[in-house]
Amino acid sequence: DQQVKQNSPSLSVQEGRISILNCDYTNSMFDYFLWYKKYPAEGPTFLISISSIKDKNEDGRFTVFLNKSAKHLSLHIVPSQPGDSAVYFCAADLTGANSKLTFGKGITLSVRP
Amino acid sequence: DVKVTQSSRYLVKRTGEKVFLECVQDMDHENMFWYRQDPGLGLRLIYFSYDVKMKEKGDIPEGYSVSREKKERFSLILESASTNQTSMYLCASRRLKGTGVPYEQYFGPGTRLTVT
Repeated sequence: DQQVKQNSPSLSVQEGRISILNCDYTNSMFDYFLWYKKYPAEGPTFLISISSIKDKNEDGRFTVFLNKSAKHLSLHIVPSQPGDSAVYFCAADLTGANSKLTFGKGITLSVRP
Repeated sequence: DVKVTQSSRYLVKRTGEKVFLECVQDMDHENMFWYRQDPGLGLRLIYFSYDVKMKEKGDIPEGYSVSREKKERFSLILESASTNQTSMYLCASRRLKGTGVPYEQYFGPGTRLTVT
């Protein structure tokens, strides 16, 4: 049973516009959420995170929104740049000292020049 | 700056060979993880370790084993490599939750393993 779902496998946006990447989860015990970015042949790199006690976290061009009642989070990238083209993974973490992240399957973002 | 290194970027092995993938982290992290990434399947957890000599099975442990003799090193072992183990293998580490910020999980560069 997939607890973290990224239902759209791909997204294409024009350079300069907003990219919105969505993620849904089913386990209400998740208390921390992260987004990772991955280029081909490289390891994922951490992008931004949000605690379940918040509904928004912003870091430069990247903003993550959390809607706990809907069990939904989204990553907004404004403005999108060609270098943002990558696979984006949503991950969720359970309460507990030795928990492990649960990842979605990823979304491939393509930013057209 | 957190650094997670993996022993090889690319590896080609024959079916039936025993394969060792090594991972080292330099930030004294308690938790270490091994994942594989396959197209359309995302990141799947193979094994993880909370402490030296401790290990727990992830979602797809079959055909793999692990070893953690030192805190900074976590090895993934393919006892008898098969073609369906051709994949990108990613190691990661993270500090114990509650020990401070940042709490993010850091990944190594990955090992592209091909089994022929």
